Amino acid sequence: GAVVSQHPSWVICKSGTSVKIECRSLDFQATTMFWYRQFPKQSLMLMATSNEGSKATYEQGVEKDKFLINHASLTLSTLTVTSAHPEDSSFYICSARVPSGATDTQYFGPGTRLTVL
Amino acid sequence: GQQLNQSPQSMFIQEGEDVSMNCTSSSIFNTWLWYKQDPGEGPVLLIALYKAGELTSNGRLTAQFGITRKDSFLNISASIPSDVGIYFCAGHITSGSRLTFGEGTQLTVNP
Repeated sequence: GAVVSQHPSWVICKSGTSVKIECRSLDFQATTMFWYRQFPKQSLMLMATSNEGSKATYEQGVEKDKFLINHASLTLSTLTVTSAHPEDSSFYICSARVPSGATDTQYFGPGTRLTVL
Repeated sequence: GQQLNQSPQSMFIQEGEDVSMNCTSSSIFNTWLWYKQDPGEGPVLLIALYKAGELTSNGRLTAQFGITRKDSFLNISASIPSDVGIYFCAGHITSGSRLTFGEGTQLTVNP
């Protein structure tokens, strides 16, 4: 199957700082990647859809100025959490779409655990 | 937004038992996906279903795309301790639409 990596796997930062998370498709090109957020014992919540070469599409309630997404190449999307606060602490997971004709499958990265002190 | 109703929420079984979980929706989906998530990890794709009525196996796992296109089930046969984790159903209403997730089924297997 397709492989998606994330870096870092975990990060601890001070309140007010910015954190960048990278998502890479290792063995395929992904024109579309997705960023999710997951709180303990809950399902995944879609934050935004990242399209290569264009602006990201954010879900309702997600602040685009706080969660900056850049998809500059077909294998890399980045999520920057700006001016992070403790309530931003969460598990952030990216996925990449592998379209193939009529089928549509998403493969997920291993996630990034963000802790804001 | 669209919702997937996944049940059961949790299961506690003995090693060797078979397991069944399902997802239902009020909307028609054209793709059903089943993922497993281990603690601290991202979801791993287990089975993808693209046609109504499709029955697909992956080792001890079997999943089916319901005929009505509004439901799917996942069966695990002869469970083992490493089957422990959270299983999520997910689906696309149309190709290219957002992926909608169920709430997950937490599976515990007692040796």
